[in-house]
Amino acid sequence: QVQLVQSGAEVKKPGSSVKVSCKASGGTFRNYAISWVRQAPGQGLEWMGGIIPIFDKSNYAQKFQGRVTITADTSTSTTYMELSSLRSEDTAVYYCARGEYCISGVCYPRLLNWFDPWGQGTLVTVSS
Amino acid sequence: EIVLTQSPGTLSLSPGERATLSCRASQSISSIYLAWYQQKPGQAPRLLIYGASSRATGIPHRFSGSGSGTDFTLTISRLEPADFAVYYCQQYGSSPPTFGPGTTVDIK
Repeated sequence: QVQLVQSGAEVKKPGSSVKVSCKASGGTFRNYAISWVRQAPGQGLEWMGGIIPIFDKSNYAQKFQGRVTITADTSTSTTYMELSSLRSEDTAVYYCARGEYCISGVCYPRLLNWFDPWGQGTLVTVSS
Repeated sequence: EIVLTQSPGTLSLSPGERATLSCRASQSISSIYLAWYQQKPGQAPRLLIYGASSRATGIPHRFSGSGSGTDFTLTISRLEPADFAVYYCQQYGSSPPTFGPGTTVDIK
């Protein structure tokens, strides 16, 4: 069974950067796309971007272009999301989630996909 | 980007009742590109439905999805205590994938 385990909570100053990790266990990492979705306190879900690790191809939401970098290390089945120039509005829980599409027993990584499973979430607090 | 709206914002029902949640898209999306999630406080979202009507692994049969074009529905046939939560729809037919604002199903 696939599990995504994220790094722990972070407290950051405005203007700094944060890097959150997401390690996959179980399943076949090469079949995955990993997306990052954030949720501000009491708010809804917002897709930030994602990566297909076997192709080292990332795609970002326009809102976060230039501020977010998503990378992957296939040797450790770990994906990273780095967000820079942090401001108070970036205070949120950040989730990683898998995108995988299977048909006739063959599975493919796909960023434009439903997300399952999700990591447990990482709270990032931006405060001076 | 495709904007999703969900209604109602809050649905107050009793256990055993039927819940009908709506998700409307700002433009037509193929029905195979619509998903539903359940989220409880302090937890990550859990996939319920993908492809508008396919239940994810382990999801009880009381959850069903339907719809096409711009209008989609999640139905919970008979609410159980564990079903009181927030529900989100998501489209993945057009980049970026987007989520609706959610419907809260709470106990009446």
